[in-house]
Amino acid sequence: GAVVSQHPSRVICKSGTSVKIECRSLDFQATTMFWYRQFPKQSLMLMATSNEGSKATYEQGVEKDKFLINHASLTLSTLTVTSAHPEDSSFYICSASKLAGTGETQYFGPGTRLLVL
Amino acid sequence: QQQVKQSPQSLIVQKGGISIINCAYENTAFDYFPWYQQFPGKGPALLIAIRPDVSEKKEGRFTISFNKSAKQFSLHIMDSQPGDSATYFCAASMPSGSRLTFGEGTQLTVNP
Repeated sequence: GAVVSQHPSRVICKSGTSVKIECRSLDFQATTMFWYRQFPKQSLMLMATSNEGSKATYEQGVEKDKFLINHASLTLSTLTVTSAHPEDSSFYICSASKLAGTGETQYFGPGTRLLVL
Repeated sequence: QQQVKQSPQSLIVQKGGISIINCAYENTAFDYFPWYQQFPGKGPALLIAIRPDVSEKKEGRFTISFNKSAKQFSLHIMDSQPGDSATYFCAASMPSGSRLTFGEGTQLTVNP
């Protein structure tokens, strides 16, 4: 199997607070984890790529000081949205990359719905 | 060169019909082409994937057709069912890593 979990599934917070989202690969060790955000009826936008034990690589336009990524182990990555504002409200999805035979395949978590009031 | 173009944006098919979604890419270095299915409020789930060394791959009712010279690939859903109603994303990645470039998505509706 290749199961990826996220916690929480949805969170509502006040503007100015920080929110932490966890991403876990439950039955495999992930060489790489990715964080995406998705607005309604749009495609997934890659925010950052993280490898265990090293700093995350952020996509152009993504504020690294606002979206803190920690990849502490081969099965856990966290995304912290610092000083969240209403425009950060979105669907955040992580994926974990598993080396499988003919190459790496990404498996996605169920997503976290963030609403900032 | 990193873009993947997907069409149509939305598709309505009758139950039992064939759903066809197309994608085109520019970067010839892409070597892995997966399709993901996403239901509302859920993360994308890997449906089927293909590499450029084959022209077609079939898994159940789902088939990927791959045209390397035209830099196009498509998803065919045979005997479409209402339960197939979802958003479908094509994607592509390079050999050096698994970073995916996604298409814009196709919202499929299968009417009963």
